[in-house]
Amino acid sequence: NAGVTQTPKFRILKIGQSMTLQCTQDMNHNYMYWYRQDPGMGLKLIYYSVGAGITDKGEVPNGYNVSRSTTEDFPLRLELAAPSQTSVYFCASSLIGEETQYFGPGTRLLVL
Amino acid sequence: GESVGLHLPTLSVQEGDNSIINCAYSNSASDYFIWYKQESGKGPQFIIDIRSNMDKRQGQRVTVLLNKTVKHLSLQIAATQPGDSAVYFCAEKGQEALNFGKGTSLLVTP
Repeated sequence: NAGVTQTPKFRILKIGQSMTLQCTQDMNHNYMYWYRQDPGMGLKLIYYSVGAGITDKGEVPNGYNVSRSTTEDFPLRLELAAPSQTSVYFCASSLIGEETQYFGPGTRLLVL
Repeated sequence: GESVGLHLPTLSVQEGDNSIINCAYSNSASDYFIWYKQESGKGPQFIIDIRSNMDKRQGQRVTVLLNKTVKHLSLQIAATQPGDSAVYFCAEKGQEALNFGKGTSLLVTP
């Protein structure tokens, strides 16, 4: 199993541009999550999904959108990039009934 | 404010010594806690977890202790090695997902 994979690894965006951060897991996990991690800080939950077709907001959802059309994929969309969205983004997944989350390698985003 | 916090932002230990990383939580109803290790440029990696019906759980070279009376948990790493250098996060199970603390940076010196 590849586990949780994320693309791209690094991206520079200009203010107002849009992009999609990709996340795929091959563990057949029902639950998937998006977190952001700012320097020297813990992870904050942006959005999560308990299954295909079901998504919900986390602690910091403003400026982001998600979709979950399949069990494997959980893309995160930034419509109008802002400097405040400069961060490292982590996708994670977990099996239903288990709390342990498995993380991808992260996408480093710089908005200038 | 932070519902999960770590006592020290950085910890420096000598190779071969034992390391203890502490974490405090505020929600007395929390029933699940987990420790992650994050190496530079990588995603968090699961180390060990513990449920609130336990006081102690051991893994390979790691032990997690849970003190529900003072709402404190700790991660002990035995015979710390250079490969243990990383940021360590504690997290508690929240309503939607895990609530993470800010992390403690562990530096292992030769």
